Parts: sequence; structure tokens; C-alpha cells
Amino acid sequence: EVQLVESGGGLVQPGGSLRLSCSASGFIFSSYTIHWVRQAPGKGLEYVSGISRSGGSTDYADSVKGRFTISRDNSKNTLYLQMSSLRIEDTAVYYCVFQSNGNVYWGLGTLVTVSS
Amino acid sequence: QAVVTQEPSLTVSPGGTVTLTCASSTGAVTSGHYPYWFQQKPGQAPRTLIYDASSKHSWTPARFSGSLLGGKAALTLSGAQPEDEADYYCLLSFSGWVFGGGTKLTVL
Repeated sequence: EVQLVESGGGLVQPGGSLRLSCSASGFIFSSYTIHWVRQAPGKGLEYVSGISRSGGSTDYADSVKGRFTISRDNSKNTLYLQMSSLRIEDTAVYYCVFQSNGNVYWGLGTLVTVSS
Repeated sequence: QAVVTQEPSLTVSPGGTVTLTCASSTGAVTSGHYPYWFQQKPGQAPRTLIYDASSKHSWTPARFSGSLLGGKAALTLSGAQPEDEADYYCLLSFSGWVFGGGTKLTVL
């Protein structure tokens, strides 16, 4: 069974940093591009970032470019999102996501709250 | 960056039919955008209903169908049930993923 388990969320002050992790199981992690998608409270889904199978290619939404860094460790089946210079508008549930055979698999998400 | 637009809210009567649409600011939505439709209920992660515009999964209720209609992706619900009340999101692929703003569907 495919499982994506996000962790690392919490309360952080504006300007602070946080690192999210996503532990994957039930599929060949290194074979898939993996993404982060977020959802602010009461709002819609927003694409954040994605990383290729090898980690050699990454992309970012304009809203996080230069502040967030996505990475992966295929030996640990783990995806990361290093977030810095956090803003109040970064408050959201962050989901780890990948697509395979017509399905998009989602984790349960981890809540990041940016507040003073 | 493309903007993907959905109806913010729609209401359907129980047993009724409703169509949700997904439009792109760059022009017509095509099969090359690999349209997805997701259903999200409060407190839950989204669930895939439709992929590649019209393909269903084994868990997709038969009353849901997807299509390309008038330059947009469309999700049609025929015979709405109370449990279909949820938020629905489309996803289009350009050079990257872009989500629509979502449609809040009320069954009333």
C-alpha cells in the first residue's frame, strides 16, 4: 500500500525557517517525480515545488522561489522541503504528492503556521 | 504562468445533474493538459476522481464523468447524492502543474 507521511510542521515566526519531511513507502520512490502541494486554511490547492527522480531537476512556484528548497534522499525514501524567510501567507497544510498510472497519491499533510 | 479557472460554487438538487468546468487562461484545454479532477471533503486529502480528462478509477462512482467541452475540461455529475457535497478541483499540466481554484458543490 502506498503511504506518504509528512512531518516537520509547526508554529514558526515570520522570517523563520522550517524543514518538512515526507517518508514514502509502498512504491519505488526513486522512480517518481515527487511534489509538494499546499492548502491554506479554507483556500484551494496550490502547487509549491517538484523534484525529478534523480533530484537533478527541480521547479518552484513563483510564490516560494528563492525561499524554499526541495530535495530528496532516495536511499531513505524521503522527500524534503526546506522553507526559509517564512511569511504569514505560507501558512497552510503541506502535502507530499506523486502521480502514477492515472492516480495522484496524497499524504495526510502537515500543518505549517507562520505567526508572531 | 497559466491561470486555471473554475466556478467558485454550484448548487445541485438531489438526483439532479450539474457540470463543473475548468478553463485555462492560455486557451483551449486539450488532452495534452492531462486534466485531473479531485474531490475533497472537509478534513480530508483530495481524492482522484478523473484522470486524462475522462478516465475513471475503480472507486469513481459511475455518476461522475469527465470530458472536454467547449475548450474546457468538464466534470459532470448525474444523479447527485448528498455525499457528493464537497470541493472539487481540476489540475492541468503545462510545463508544471496548475490547480484550479476549486468549486464548492452544494447538494440541496
